[in-house]
Amino acid sequence: DTEVTQTPKHLVMGMTNKKSLKCEQHMGHRAMYWYKQKAKKPPELMFVYSYEKLSINESVPSRFSPECPNSSLLNLHLHALQPEDSALYLCASSQDWGRREKLFFGSGTQLSVL
Amino acid sequence: GDSVTQMEGPVTLSEEAFLTINCTYTATGYPSLFWYVQYPGEGLQLLLKATKADDKGSNKGFEATYRKETTSFHLEKGSVQVSDSAVYFCALSANAGGTSYGKLTFGQGTILTVHP
Repeated sequence: DTEVTQTPKHLVMGMTNKKSLKCEQHMGHRAMYWYKQKAKKPPELMFVYSYEKLSINESVPSRFSPECPNSSLLNLHLHALQPEDSALYLCASSQDWGRREKLFFGSGTQLSVL
Repeated sequence: GDSVTQMEGPVTLSEEAFLTINCTYTATGYPSLFWYVQYPGEGLQLLLKATKADDKGSNKGFEATYRKETTSFHLEKGSVQVSDSAVYFCALSANAGGTSYGKLTFGQGTILTVHP
């Protein structure tokens, strides 16, 4: 199994809603990542987890709250988002963090904030 | 800090044409270099990689050579197909001490469209 699975594929939410994005991998990878991608732009790193601990937070607003319940799962909790947060949210994983290895990406969640 | 500069697109080619997408980088030390491809409605997939100078990465007919003297990692394919239409991202990941340590720094992406 070389897949990173993200759910849901599409999400529409209001600015007062609370929702969560989920990511799962069963490759035994110890590093997991959240990226945000706007249309026609490269992905921007948001968070990195290594061995289930938060290693990098790229100054992301607190309305985005990551969680890594175990080595296979990564969540992104969303609360009080703004319309400008509408984007494709990509999860990725790699064998280890900081070893310049390739990342495996999921297909993403297309988020629309109304 | 570390950075990647890609040739601006979009690039439009006819099937069987030769493809080059230029990529240059700025980084301390010896970063690893990658080309990722993103098909419509999907996430990114690794296309090829190189980890040291003069390494050539290759996959699915695509090639790129790590040139430290010119700090470049240009992507080439001899004969493109319609199915190659996608967005291509050049990226680097630095070793310890670089600002890209532990993460990928992406170029802006190049949209490739191949017509029959």
